[in-house]
Amino acid sequence: EPEVTQTPSHQVTQMGQEVILRCVPISNHLYFYWYRQILGQKVEFLVSFYNNEISEKSEIFDDQFSVERPDGSNFTLKIRSTKLEDSAMYFCASSDGGGETQYFGPGTRLLVL
Amino acid sequence: AQRVTQPEKLLSVFKGAPVELKCNYSYSGSPELFWYVQYSRQRLQLLLRHISRESIKGFTADLNKGETSFHLKKPFAQEEDSAMYYCAPAARYSSASKIIFGSGTRLSIRP
Repeated sequence: EPEVTQTPSHQVTQMGQEVILRCVPISNHLYFYWYRQILGQKVEFLVSFYNNEISEKSEIFDDQFSVERPDGSNFTLKIRSTKLEDSAMYFCASSDGGGETQYFGPGTRLLVL
Repeated sequence: AQRVTQPEKLLSVFKGAPVELKCNYSYSGSPELFWYVQYSRQRLQLLLRHISRESIKGFTADLNKGETSFHLKKPFAQEEDSAMYYCAPAARYSSASKIIFGSGTRLSIRP
């Protein structure tokens, strides 16, 4: 069964550094999402992406964040200048339609020191 | 404002006992309703979807529009049901619908 994959599984970075989190959505899916979960808190929506543009973004998704689909398979989340409070588990998800079931990747645990 | 409430952080029941995990939501329009589950060291996965009645592992959920509730139930709990459960409404028919997750209920099944 096809699955969403994410790399790396863990990333440690220094405050102020740029990080890129990578995701490979399920191949025939057209809708892509990023969520994050700070330790001990709920899973929060960051951004959705369709037809090569952002469909919706949350208040968390400020100018430090960007997403890109650089080729036909990858979907990336870039944090330009990381802050301590960006430390969280970041989940990528994809779906084959708006409002359809979203399939989640295993997550990338980001630690900002 | 869109909000999902799962009042129980932790629910512990004996194997074979019935399980009910509560969920109340406040959401504009008529959301699509999901329950997601996360087993230890595994990814979030769909447990149940209201519109299609897709479900795994014998769970059901009844939508009560009047109470805006979508409680998850299983008549006889099994040890492998121990996991984190998230109630998750999403916008229906949206171009790319975001999920609003509840804070989750950790279900622990005692042998």
